Amino acid sequence: ETGVTQTPRHLVMGMTNKKSLKCEQHLGHNAMYWYKQSAKKPLELMFVYSLEERVENNSVPSRFSPECPNSSHLFLHLHTLQPEDSALYLCASSQTPPGTSGRETQYFGPGTRLLVL
Amino acid sequence: ILNVEQSPQSLHVQEGDSTNFTCSFPSSNFYALHWYRWETAKSPEALFVMTLNGDEKKKGRISATLNTKEGYSYLYIKGSQPEDSATYLCASYTGTASKLTFGTGTRLQVTL
Repeated sequence: ETGVTQTPRHLVMGMTNKKSLKCEQHLGHNAMYWYKQSAKKPLELMFVYSLEERVENNSVPSRFSPECPNSSHLFLHLHTLQPEDSALYLCASSQTPPGTSGRETQYFGPGTRLLVL
Repeated sequence: ILNVEQSPQSLHVQEGDSTNFTCSFPSSNFYALHWYRWETAKSPEALFVMTLNGDEKKKGRISATLNTKEGYSYLYIKGSQPEDSATYLCASYTGTASKLTFGTGTRLQVTL
């Protein structure tokens, strides 16, 4: 896959660890997103970045800290997570920032499967 | 309806069968409805974006219809093939939420 890539694909961490998830988009898009999918739940939006500025934080606990150093890269820094944070974390990007027409297609990465012990 | 709901949760069909699933979404302040196809261990792949009441979109053997007044969309697959096996997600965008709100998906399995 060359559109949106995510590393690592799988991650196991203890509750006291610090780790980071990385996302890179090769599409020249201006908006990037982090989503979380817990078991048997729908995708939940966590953060939105538009032109490297955070435009949305969906009441996400501070143990999740996003970073967008440029329009192609997005990170999710993880610190003192809880077992209930175990989930699939998906990154996505879109050509235009959100909130205009709702028609912007979001292009997803394959996700990072996170297990917190 | 406040959330996006999809039915059935899962579906098992034989190769060659035609099938359809339903996505129900809030009709108030509606902007757009997205369909995605998500194969296991891969990235969700966009299928359709639909905005107008009565809209119908087609991509190969897959088609979708939209009713914004009553808040539902149907996805049809004609002559299912094993490679159609995937989870099909829908997501609505409303002016109220200002974000994509996803359903939990319909998991389709097509066997020979």
